[in-house]
Amino acid sequence: GEDVEQSLFLSVREGDSSVINCTYTDSSSTYLYWYKQEPGAGLQLLTYIFSNMDMKQDQRLTVLLNKKDKHLSLRIADTQTGDSAIYFCAERMDSSYKLIFGSGTRLLVRP
Amino acid sequence: DSGVTQTPKHLITATGQRVTLRCSPRSGDLSVYWYQQSLDQGLQFLIQYYNGEERAKGNILERFSAQQFPDLHSELNLSSLELGDSALYFCASSPGEDEQYFGPGTRLTVT
Repeated sequence: GEDVEQSLFLSVREGDSSVINCTYTDSSSTYLYWYKQEPGAGLQLLTYIFSNMDMKQDQRLTVLLNKKDKHLSLRIADTQTGDSAIYFCAERMDSSYKLIFGSGTRLLVRP
Repeated sequence: DSGVTQTPKHLITATGQRVTLRCSPRSGDLSVYWYQQSLDQGLQFLIQYYNGEERAKGNILERFSAQQFPDLHSELNLSSLELGDSALYFCASSPGEDEQYFGPGTRLTVT
């Protein structure tokens, strides 16, 4: 089945690292994505990883994929107050172009 | 700014009415996707068009329809509106199979 799960809330102190976790159920997922949504705004594509990769790094962002456990994480280094937003994990199956989204993790960065 | 534009930004209408939401994809992108974001259902895929043809269909109600025109812009038509149709409607476009870039959304309020 198609299901993507995320924890609802994460609070970190400015300057610390944030780790947002996501689990998915469909082993045929080909791409996994992280999107950021700020209040009143659309979804901003942060990064994505192809299913044959274990890790992808892009500046302060590190994505780790454990395909065996169907677990995806997004690490934000040196978290800033501007990183406060809702982060969505999404998967795309090989057979379809649609994205299946998790419910989003609200990240609060405390000064 | 993702390069995807959506109009209008906000729409308030009454139950039973019909509205049209418009999306212009990024220059050169042939694929357009529509998603609905509501508090109770989260982000749900509605429909995808590729170069004018319907490619994939998700949880789209029969009261809803969409099309993609020769200039690649797309319209989502919502008819016989109900209170439960109040949501944010996002359009996304993609250059290929991996990335999807989202527009700022249209917030629909049905009263």
